[in-house]
Amino acid sequence: GQQLNQSPQSMFIQEGEDVSMNCTSSSIFNTWLWYKQDPGEGPVLLIALYKAGELTSNGRLTAQFGITRKDSFLNISASIPSDVGIYFCAGQARGSQGNLIFGKGTKLSVKP
Amino acid sequence: SAVISQKPSRDICQRGTSLTIQCQVDSQVTMMFWYRQQPGQSLTLIATANQGSEATYESGFVIDKFPISRPNLTFSTLTVSNMSPEDSSIYLCSADRGMEAFFGQGTRLTVV
Repeated sequence: GQQLNQSPQSMFIQEGEDVSMNCTSSSIFNTWLWYKQDPGEGPVLLIALYKAGELTSNGRLTAQFGITRKDSFLNISASIPSDVGIYFCAGQARGSQGNLIFGKGTKLSVKP
Repeated sequence: SAVISQKPSRDICQRGTSLTIQCQVDSQVTMMFWYRQQPGQSLTLIATANQGSEATYESGFVIDKFPISRPNLTFSTLTVSNMSPEDSSIYLCSADRGMEAFFGQGTRLTVV
């Protein structure tokens, strides 16, 4: 079945630093989604990507849908303590509405 | 974004018993989804719930263990039956709004 490789698994950074994480897939996706999950909460959608090559920003967050449709990255600029959490990528293949394949997550820790 | 409410938010249950989790969406949606997130892990799709038809289960999940109801376009339930400690997880419901999937806050289940 389809698999998503998300890296890095965890990151420890200083407040103000930029962060980059990425996901690669063994097959093509039509949609890439990036979520953040805080402890005790469900995932919250950060950015959705629909087209190969698409670059989308949401405040300090920027994500791109890879040209090959098999990868995506998420950048966070000028990190702040509230960025702490687990970030998940998720991909959706053609014809599989709602059936998301999730990466294993990137746990972000920010030191003030 | 869609507002999705789940209850209970958490529960501690005895092995051998069953728990029904409810999920309410603030608007009508065609498809609802149930995911499991084991401790420290990513999300895995259990089943897709369509109104008026039986749920579609992913590999490794069966109706006898995880019966699902979908009585209308805004509501669904997931039952975790005959629970064992291995069922201790976070259970999340999800619904699509356009091409984007939104999640409830999750139900944290501990089986003792």
